[in-house]
Amino acid sequence: QMQLEESGPGLVKPSETLSLACSVSGDSISNSDHYWAWVRQPPGKGLEWIGTIYYSGNTYYNLPLKSRATISVDTSRNQLSLRLTSVTAADTATYFCARRRGYPIESPTGGYYYHYYTDVWGSGTTVIVSS
Amino acid sequence: SSELTQDPAVSVALGHTVTITCQGDSLRDYYATWYQQKTGQAPLLVVYGKNSRPSGIPSRFSASRSGNTASLIITGAQAGDEADYYCESRDSRGNHFQVFGPGTKVTVL
Repeated sequence: QMQLEESGPGLVKPSETLSLACSVSGDSISNSDHYWAWVRQPPGKGLEWIGTIYYSGNTYYNLPLKSRATISVDTSRNQLSLRLTSVTAADTATYFCARRRGYPIESPTGGYYYHYYTDVWGSGTTVIVSS
Repeated sequence: SSELTQDPAVSVALGHTVTITCQGDSLRDYYATWYQQKTGQAPLLVVYGKNSRPSGIPSRFSASRSGNTASLIITGAQAGDEADYYCESRDSRGNHFQVFGPGTKVTVL
């Protein structure tokens, strides 16, 4: 059974760097059918996509976070990571790692595109930014 | 614009049908994906693509769309369906750029 498990420090000081890891079990992070993502959720608020990575290293970031976020994969450890620099209280959130997969589908307006969705989520790890 | 909008909250009587809507320009050309999130839990995929459900998701969950609006329909809502529901679509920049709606809190009365 495929599982994702996030880990990292629960408390980070303002202006420092947040570093999280996500261990993948039951699947290979090098599986060419899958992409891997980080999503966060501030307390009492909605989901915010941070970024997505393919095992080859191709990355895609949410624009507001692009200058501070770095997502990477370690295929030897079957793990993905997130680094977020210069954190503030606004970065306090539960951070989820997730697996994404896609398939070709006919668009409602014609033509085809790849429809991607998240089929597996980690349980999340809470990070508080505070001095 | 890649933004998605959802009603903050809806309520439904036990056993009745509720429709949760999601609006956004991207939904004219691309299908939404829907996630359920119960308090203290990770999101759970409920519907994706035109109207596909992962294994284990009851058939009372279905999706439809019209114009720039995607809908998640719960037919015969159960107490266990009380949760936050998020729509997701691709961003205008491409397949791998996501955007989530703000979420709808569904209360089953």
